[in-house]
Amino acid sequence: EPEVTQTPSHQVTQMGQEVILRCVPISNHLYFYWYRQILGQKVEFLVSFYNNEISEKSEIFDDQFSVERPDGSNFTLKIRSTKLEDSAMYFCASSEGQGFIYGYTFGSGTRLTVV
Amino acid sequence: GDSVTQMEGPVTLSEEAFLTINCTYTATGYPSLFWYVQYPGEGLQLLLKATKADDKGSNKGFEATYRKETTSFHLEKGSVQVSDSAVYFCALCMASYDKVIFGPGTSLSVIP
Repeated sequence: EPEVTQTPSHQVTQMGQEVILRCVPISNHLYFYWYRQILGQKVEFLVSFYNNEISEKSEIFDDQFSVERPDGSNFTLKIRSTKLEDSAMYFCASSEGQGFIYGYTFGSGTRLTVV
Repeated sequence: GDSVTQMEGPVTLSEEAFLTINCTYTATGYPSLFWYVQYPGEGLQLLLKATKADDKGSNKGFEATYRKETTSFHLEKGSVQVSDSAVYFCALCMASYDKVIFGPGTSLSVIP
């Protein structure tokens, strides 16, 4: 079964450093997303991306965050200057069409620890 | 805003017991409803979904029926196994926006 692949599985970074989380969505999917889950809390939507642009973002997704699909296969989330409160599990997801109809396939996540 | 409420755990059951995890939603329209499962140390996996009222989603012995009149999507399984130990998330999305709204998750532990 096709998978969404995320790398690395765990990343530790120092506060103030830039970090890039990488995702390879399912190859025929057109819609891409990032979510995060702070330990013990709800899974929260960060951003959706379609046709090479952001279609929606949450209030969490401020100027410190950016997304990119640099080469037609990878989908990345960059945090410019990490804060302690950015420590969370970050999930990438993709969908072949509108998720309302098709559902979403999630990756296994990257655990980001900011120290 | 739209939201999902589910029974909070942890829930502990003996193997072969019957499982119900309650989920209710609040939405301004007619959402699609999902159950996702997160096994220890893993990501979110779609367990089942229903896109309209009275639809029943089913997978791996789990079932949930979309009840518009009670705005509910309760998850059931007739006989749980130790391997079902995980966190279960009820979720919704709407045609008017392309994102998933998750409930808080219910932790299930099944003991032999």
